[in-house]
Amino acid sequence: RKEVEQDPGPFNVPEGATVAFNCTYSNSASQSFFWYRQDCRKEPKLLMSVYSSGNEDGRFTAQLNRASQYISLLIRDSKLSDSATYLCVVSFNSGYSTLTFGKGTMLLVSP
Amino acid sequence: EPEVTQTPSHQVTQMGQEVILRCVPISNHLYFYWYRQILGQKVEFLVSFYNNEISEKSEIFDDQFSVERPDGSNFTLKIRSTKLEDSAMYFCASSDADETQYFGPGTRLLVL
Repeated sequence: RKEVEQDPGPFNVPEGATVAFNCTYSNSASQSFFWYRQDCRKEPKLLMSVYSSGNEDGRFTAQLNRASQYISLLIRDSKLSDSATYLCVVSFNSGYSTLTFGKGTMLLVSP
Repeated sequence: EPEVTQTPSHQVTQMGQEVILRCVPISNHLYFYWYRQILGQKVEFLVSFYNNEISEKSEIFDDQFSVERPDGSNFTLKIRSTKLEDSAMYFCASSDADETQYFGPGTRLLVL
């Protein structure tokens, strides 16, 4: 069974804080990994893909550990606008593929 | 920036009625998808579509559901006889060969 598990939160942090989210996936044959962001009652939007070597995009850093089937997202210097639900997403095929979503981790950044 | 569009934004229907949800994928994309999200739950895959046929479908996508690409731009999801449990947000997505899927704003379906 293809499952993606996340801590639902919410994570309440002050502006400027560093926060980390974790995710585990069940299918070792998983090929591609992503973090999406979803604002309340909106569509998921791609935040970043996650590569085996780890990757960074500004304040955001993603890591992948294939051996442990574990993905992480680190947000540094949190902004109020970072408040959202962060979705860990995995696909099990290369090329076009269906996405399997975690339930998401809610982040609330306060002034 | 090109985007996926969906209509209507909201749809209220009576149980047993047919609904058609419409999507216009990004113009040069070749792969199309429908997902749904029941309130408070995770996004779930329904169906993928490529080269004018279904590529993959989930167990949710039973005989009550169908998809169609009636012309060069629209991609539709039809639910023949809606049930209360079909109430959800339905997202269309599209991708090209690089796999990144872009989601539309969704149609919120309420079945009464």
